[in-house]
Amino acid sequence: EPEVTQTPSHQVTQMGQEVILRCVPISNHLYFYWYRQILGQKVEFLVSFYNNEISEKSEIFDDQFSVERPDGSNFTLKIRSTKLEDSAMYFCASSEALGDRYEQYFGPGTRLTVT
Amino acid sequence: GQNIDQPTEMTATEGAIVQINCTYQTSGFNGLFWYQQHAGEAPTFLSYNVLDGLEEKGRFSSFLSRSKGYSYLLLKELQMKDSASYLCAVRDGWAAGNKLTFGGGTRVLVKP
Repeated sequence: EPEVTQTPSHQVTQMGQEVILRCVPISNHLYFYWYRQILGQKVEFLVSFYNNEISEKSEIFDDQFSVERPDGSNFTLKIRSTKLEDSAMYFCASSEALGDRYEQYFGPGTRLTVT
Repeated sequence: GQNIDQPTEMTATEGAIVQINCTYQTSGFNGLFWYQQHAGEAPTFLSYNVLDGLEEKGRFSSFLSRSKGYSYLLLKELQMKDSASYLCAVRDGWAAGNKLTFGGGTRVLVKP
């Protein structure tokens, strides 16, 4: 069964450093998303992406964040200058454009630890 | 604003039935999703309701009442592997790319 993959599974970085989280969505999917989940808290939407541009973003997704689809398979989230409060599990998700459910399939996540 | 409420934790016995309630108040509505999340893992899709009524899928059923802003997930014949968090999420718009807004999740503990 096709699945969303993410790398790395765990990233440790120092405050102020840039990180890039990588995702490979399911191949026939057209909508891509990033969510995050701070330990013990709810899953929060960050951004959605379609046709090489951002469709929607949350208040969390400020100028420190950016997304990119550098080629036909990867989808990346960049945090330019990490803060302690960016420590969280980051989930990539994708959905196809056909049908009415458009359920989002989540990747296994990248645990980001900012020290 | 978006507000999705569900109980924090529930405990049930193996073989029993558990019902997890979710109430929502959102600025838009285009479907309610239930996801299962085991500790440290990604959410996995369980069910979807967009019209009122019951959707049955094996041991799992989900119900929606749009007028009441209410849904529940029913888990039957509980198994130990069903111990997980169950997340209620609302999609707030008609575009396929619309975001999901999640509740805080209900942690279900299945005891032998």
